[in-house]
Amino acid sequence: GAVVSQHPSRVICKSGTSVKIECRSLDFQATTMFWYRQFPKQSLMLMATSNEGSKATYEQGVEKDKFLINHASLTLSTLTVTSAHPEDSSFYICSARDPGLAGAYNEQFFGPGTRLTVL
Amino acid sequence: AQKITQTQPGMFVQEKEAVTLDCTYDTSDPSYGLFWYKQPSSGEMIFLIYQGSYDQQNATEGRYSLNFQKARKSANLVISASQLGDSAMYFCAMREGGNQGGKLIFGQGTELSVKP
Repeated sequence: GAVVSQHPSRVICKSGTSVKIECRSLDFQATTMFWYRQFPKQSLMLMATSNEGSKATYEQGVEKDKFLINHASLTLSTLTVTSAHPEDSSFYICSARDPGLAGAYNEQFFGPGTRLTVL
Repeated sequence: AQKITQTQPGMFVQEKEAVTLDCTYDTSDPSYGLFWYKQPSSGEMIFLIYQGSYDQQNATEGRYSLNFQKARKSANLVISASQLGDSAMYFCAMREGGNQGGKLIFGQGTELSVKP
């Protein structure tokens, strides 16, 4: 199956700093990528849909100025957590949609996730 | 309104026995897909099984089967012959057709513990 990578896998930062997380599709071009956030023992909550070449679509309640998403190429989307605070500590997972498999059960591939800890 | 509901926060099963994880969903879209994912402690999301709304037969994948009851809007996951490695979080998810753009909506998850 297709591979999606995330970098970094873990990051610890100080409160007030910004953190960038990368999501890459390694063997297909992803016109759409999704960003999820997951607190321990909880569900994956969709934060935003990232479309290549256009602005991201944010879910209700997600601060777009806080969570900046850039999908500058067909293989890379980035999530920047700006002015991070301890409550932003979470597991962030991306997924990438292969347009060649659109509508199929296996159209979407998940990255391994990034664990963010804000001190 | 919650679109995907998993009512079992935690489940225990004896090794080699079967276990059913519950999932109910709510949609008015006639075209949708239902997914089950396994998430071990490492955090990766592992696809297990898929059921399309128009599929006539229940999906099966090895030890996993999906008990799809469309009228009741339920899509329970059955794991047969549980193994210690099955201990993980399990998530039910739905993808609606139409112009939803492939978004997956996840349930709250069920933590499965397999006892030796």
